[in-house]
Amino acid sequence: SAVISQKPSRDICQRGTSLTIQCQVDSQVTMMFWYRQQPGQSLTLIATANQGSEATYESGFVIDKFPISRPNLTFSTLTVSNMSPEDSSIYLCSVRRGSTDTQYFGPGTRLTVL
Amino acid sequence: GQQLNQSPQSMFIQEGEDVSMNCTSSSIFNTWLWYKQDPGEGPVLLIALYKAGELTSNGRLTAQFGITRKDSFLNISASIPSDVGIYFCAGLTVQGAQKLVFGQGTRLTINP
Repeated sequence: SAVISQKPSRDICQRGTSLTIQCQVDSQVTMMFWYRQQPGQSLTLIATANQGSEATYESGFVIDKFPISRPNLTFSTLTVSNMSPEDSSIYLCSVRRGSTDTQYFGPGTRLTVL
Repeated sequence: GQQLNQSPQSMFIQEGEDVSMNCTSSSIFNTWLWYKQDPGEGPVLLIALYKAGELTSNGRLTAQFGITRKDSFLNISASIPSDVGIYFCAGLTVQGAQKLVFGQGTRLTINP
């Protein structure tokens, strides 16, 4: 398995501000992902974080709203920009090791936007 | 896009009962994963299935990868209070960039 930590674990933010969420993995991984889980809902993939290049975003998610960085094989950040109450969700980092196709999740960051 | 239909959406059972939930799709998947999520936590991987027809157990949990590659089920035997939570199935897509697609979840409640 992989040990994944996220910071912050939760935050309450004001409308119009931005929050950067960090994800750290205990070992190098091939693939890193960011998911959103709205209250009472399932998980939705925001983007695949690519090391050394721009992230690959899913339909409905754009780089200006959710800029992502991945400077190395163990770390990534997701920024939620110009936040509105609709952005209140749990944001989850996830990783997959190359050959096993098994995917693990971090503990999540619970974001509330007022 | 590809979707997984997970059922039931919720279950209310007595402690000690067996539980069964399943996921179906119109699309084929390479891998099926089953997760459990407790309140305030991220999903925790329970069982991973890699081959059509595969039947895998993890303690009181048993899961199968459907022979058509379009479905999977999870059984929990002799439920205990700590089994309470939300269970998600997830399938790894076949074509293009492999992505994990999630079912809607099954919320399990256990009456002691």
